Formats: sequence, C-alpha cells, structure tokens
Amino acid sequence: DQQVKQNSPSLSVQEGRISILNCDYTNSMFDYFLWYKKYPAEGPTFLISISSIKDKNEDGRFTVFLNKSAKHLSLHIVPSQPGDSAVYFCAASRSPSGTYKYIFGTGTRLKVLA
Amino acid sequence: NAGVTQTPKFQVLKTGQSMTLQCAQDMNHEYMSWYRQDPGMGLRLIHYSVGAGITDQGEVPNGYNVSRSTTEDFPLRLLSAAPSQTSVYFCASREPYGGPDTQYFGPGTRLTVL
Repeated sequence: DQQVKQNSPSLSVQEGRISILNCDYTNSMFDYFLWYKKYPAEGPTFLISISSIKDKNEDGRFTVFLNKSAKHLSLHIVPSQPGDSAVYFCAASRSPSGTYKYIFGTGTRLKVLA
Repeated sequence: NAGVTQTPKFQVLKTGQSMTLQCAQDMNHEYMSWYRQDPGMGLRLIHYSVGAGITDQGEVPNGYNVSRSTTEDFPLRLLSAAPSQTSVYFCASREPYGGPDTQYFGPGTRLTVL
C-alpha cells in the first residue's frame, strides 16, 4: 500500500510558466516532507523540505506547500526552466531522529519545453 | 571529495547467480542505506546502517544481505539473484542527526537478472 502517492507520472510545462507537482500521503504520523530531483543516470539530489509545523517553505524558485488536513503537499517551480526537466520524488518521514526513514512517492517526470 | 560512489554501473546476472554491489563514501557519514527503484514503485529502502557493525532491515530486505565493517563501505549482497531483483539500486549516506540536505545518493547500479 503506497503511503506516499504522486498521481501524475508526467507533466509538461512551457519555459517561464509555473510547474506544480503534487503529492498525497495517507499516514498521519508523517510530519516531515521533502522533495528530491533526479536526472537520468544520476542519483536523487535533495531539493527542498518542510516540517508539519509550517504550511509553506520557499527557496528561490522553489516553494513547497503543505496542507495537513488534506494530507497533500505540492511543489511549485516559478519560473520553470529547461534545466528543471527531471524526475521529482516527494518523500515523507516521522519526526527526524538518528534513524529516520523516508517513504518515497513514485515520482513525476517534469519536462520544461523551451 | 568523491561523495558516494557505486560499482558497477551496470550488471547482468543469470537467475541463481550471486554478486555484490559496492558502495563507498568519503564524507565520514555514519548513516548509509540502500534503496531500489522500480517503475511505478518509487524508491524503497532495502537495508540501512547507523555505523560500523550495525545494520538493520528496511521495507524490502528479502533476498539481500549487508554488512558494515568500516565507516566508508556498505556493500549489498545478492546471494541468489531472481528476476524480481531487476532494478536500479541506489546507495545513500548522511550524517546521523543531519537534515535531509545532508543525504547524498550515489549514481546507481542498474541490475538485470535474466
């Protein structure tokens, strides 16, 4: 049973427009969420995170929104650039401790069209 | 720093063969882990280690063995490969009490079991 779901396997967006990637989770014990970005033939790299005590976290062009009541988070990329074309994974965990484990979603492939 | 390195990059095995996927990091990270990535499944945790001599199971440990004799190395062993183990394998390391921005993934090993 997928505890973290990314229901859109792919997304295409024009350069300069906003990209919105969505993620839903089922386990109410999750309280720390993050996004990873993955290029082909490379490992995932950390992009941005959010704790459940916040509803928004911003880092440059990237903003993550968290709606705890809906168990939903989204990643906004504004403006989108061709270099943002990659697979994006959301992940969730319980309160970070020394051995905290991430549960990953299935990924969304973003293609930014020039 | 080389970061997290994995060898080999590609491997083809026959059912029943054994092999070891190598993972090494030069960041003196105590925490290391192995994930597999399958289409439609996201990344799933196989095994992890919080330090030399200490390992534990993740979500999908069956068919895999690990050991951690040094801080730097965390090999993953397939004792008798099965077609269900065809996947891309990622090794990751991070500081034990660090945030997700301290987790680094290797480039992956693509394994095919015939």
